[in-house]
Amino acid sequence: EVQLVESGGGLIQPGGSLRLSCAASGFTVSSNYMSWVRQAPGKGLEWVSVIYSGGATSYIDSVKGRFTISRDNSRNTLYLQMNTLRAEDTAVYYCAREIPDFSGYQNMRDWGQGTLVTVSS
Amino acid sequence: DIQMTQSPSSLSASVGDRVTITCRASQDISNYLAWFQQKPGEAPKSLIYGASSLHSGVPSKFSGSGSGTDFTLTISSLQSEDFATYYCQQYSHLPRTFGPGTKVEIK
Repeated sequence: EVQLVESGGGLIQPGGSLRLSCAASGFTVSSNYMSWVRQAPGKGLEWVSVIYSGGATSYIDSVKGRFTISRDNSRNTLYLQMNTLRAEDTAVYYCAREIPDFSGYQNMRDWGQGTLVTVSS
Repeated sequence: DIQMTQSPSSLSASVGDRVTITCRASQDISNYLAWFQQKPGEAPKSLIYGASSLHSGVPSKFSGSGSGTDFTLTISSLQSEDFATYYCQQYSHLPRTFGPGTKVEIK
């Protein structure tokens, strides 16, 4: 059974840093595309970043240069290092496993329960 | 970036009703369209990929259609557990973008 468990959220002051973790079981993180998606309080879903099975990464413009997605294959864990945090980064952060559709395009299949990041002084 | 819109933004329906939600992309995304269900306080649940393919375990009362820029999600007979917010998402281009959501409420 696929399971994703996020951790590392909390209250942080503007300008601070936080590292989110997403511990995976039931599959191998390094063999899958993995994404982070966030949801500000009362708002919709926003894709943040993806790491491909080959290791390449991509980010939404608003977090480029501040956030870094990575993985630890030995721990089967996905990470999101968040630096220079802003109030607008306040959200529940979800990790998601992606799988290929019939054309090979990757789409989100499994989700973690989320971890709340609150950026406030 | 590809903009996704959904209509309506909310709807009220009764148990047993047939419900249709529309999603539109700002440019051609072929059939690289997914649908998600989210209940309050819960993580999103993946329902449909490839515009019309159900993920395993998703009941057949859910169906999706469309290609190009216009897509629909239909719930054939609404049940109490289906009251939730539904999001479409394109995965044709980066950044992946979601629609603003459609909240399905009890009439």
